[in-house]
Amino acid sequence: DVKVTQSSRYLVKRTGEKVFLECVQDMDHENMFWYRQDPGLGLRLIYFSYDVKMKEKGDIPEGYSVSREKKERFSLILESASTNQTSMYLCASSLGGLPQTYEQYFGPGTRLTVT
Amino acid sequence: DAKTTQPTSMDCAEGRAANLPCNHSTISGNEYVYWYRQIHSQGPQYIIHGLKNNETNEMASLIITEDRKSSTLILPHATLRDTAVYYCIVSQPLQTGANNLFFGTGTRLTVIP
Repeated sequence: DVKVTQSSRYLVKRTGEKVFLECVQDMDHENMFWYRQDPGLGLRLIYFSYDVKMKEKGDIPEGYSVSREKKERFSLILESASTNQTSMYLCASSLGGLPQTYEQYFGPGTRLTVT
Repeated sequence: DAKTTQPTSMDCAEGRAANLPCNHSTISGNEYVYWYRQIHSQGPQYIIHGLKNNETNEMASLIITEDRKSSTLILPHATLRDTAVYYCIVSQPLQTGANNLFFGTGTRLTVIP
């Protein structure tokens, strides 16, 4: 089974702190994704990566950056955390290349609270 | 922006078929229809996807209308474990193989004993 793991289930940080959320997948997937989930808004894509050191902005990249130095690991960085970044963060991975990939495998999520 | 419209909530009796509708009237020719679900406190789980033809797998069936403007996800024999939020998504895969799946607010399906 594909496994996507996230470094923490719950995290509490203070405003202005630099925050790292880590995601690791064990299936040699090319694509990795970071979403946030908020009540009433569904899941929204922050960033994704289709290869090592490659990244693309999603729908809401402002206030976030990402890093992919190794194929299995994709990090989400909040340079200076703010209270409006309190959310559930979900990481996902999928196969790459053509024909289209279709199945994204999700991790359990990290609930981040910024106080 | 959401390209799909789903009912906010639905109930289904245990053991009966659950039919979840989705409207996607602005779908383009190379966009696929994907269905995911999210059980409470877990990450979303892929269910099924299709382009034009109806599809079936071990979890569900996907019926896409001929004009592709709507679809229905069918869970043939709903169980209590199927209680979840179901997301209908239309998306065109990028050349890299990745695709931006916009998850709206979905349909909350409650299976009733």
